[in-house]
Amino acid sequence: LAKTTQPISMDSYEGQEVNITCSHNNIATNDYITWYQQFPSQGPRFIIQGYKTKVTNEVASLFIPADRKSSTLSLPRVSLSDTAVYYCLVKNDNAGNMLTFGGGTRLMVKP
Amino acid sequence: DTAVSQTPKYLVTQMGNDKSIKCEQNLGHDTMYWYKQDSKKFLKIMFSYNNKELIINETVPNRFSPKSPDKAHLNLHINSLELGDSAVYFCASALAPVYTGELFFGEGSRLTVL
Repeated sequence: LAKTTQPISMDSYEGQEVNITCSHNNIATNDYITWYQQFPSQGPRFIIQGYKTKVTNEVASLFIPADRKSSTLSLPRVSLSDTAVYYCLVKNDNAGNMLTFGGGTRLMVKP
Repeated sequence: DTAVSQTPKYLVTQMGNDKSIKCEQNLGHDTMYWYKQDSKKFLKIMFSYNNKELIINETVPNRFSPKSPDKAHLNLHINSLELGDSAVYFCASALAPVYTGELFFGEGSRLTVL
């Protein structure tokens, strides 16, 4: 299974765009990239998933370069309520959801 | 309606005791999981059940015994609790076991062993 590396923490201010990059150098051809968000005292919540190029939904955008060895989660105009831990996962049909989430990136949004 | 619900939310107990955590999902999913989250926020899979059948047991001590009476319920029973069992336990469900889509988590059960 591809290992992922992401920053331990990031700080931002309300209204800014936040980009969190995840490295997954040994990603396999059939791997998908998935991001989850976890608020304190809650379970992780699915944000976005992609395979290549760009995916956008109402919450975030996911940018994946051609070599797919990294991906960037982009949160437009963050608010205080976006303060959370963000997890990057790489998984495929064989592993499904049988995965360990890494330590994630703790995003702190300040007023 | 809560999609994946766990009880209790908090559990404080003494070493050596036996305790259970219950989980129910109303999403109609076939697959349910138990994850353990440690103090460093690593979330590690423990068990996976598909339609009441165990499909994954990730080297978890046999003091941990999951039970699935039906595909909407997956309970976790822990015998002879140890200090290292203190963690937050999350139940989750998915449409199918081999599936790259969304995993739905409960709110977690914080277990503290004294």
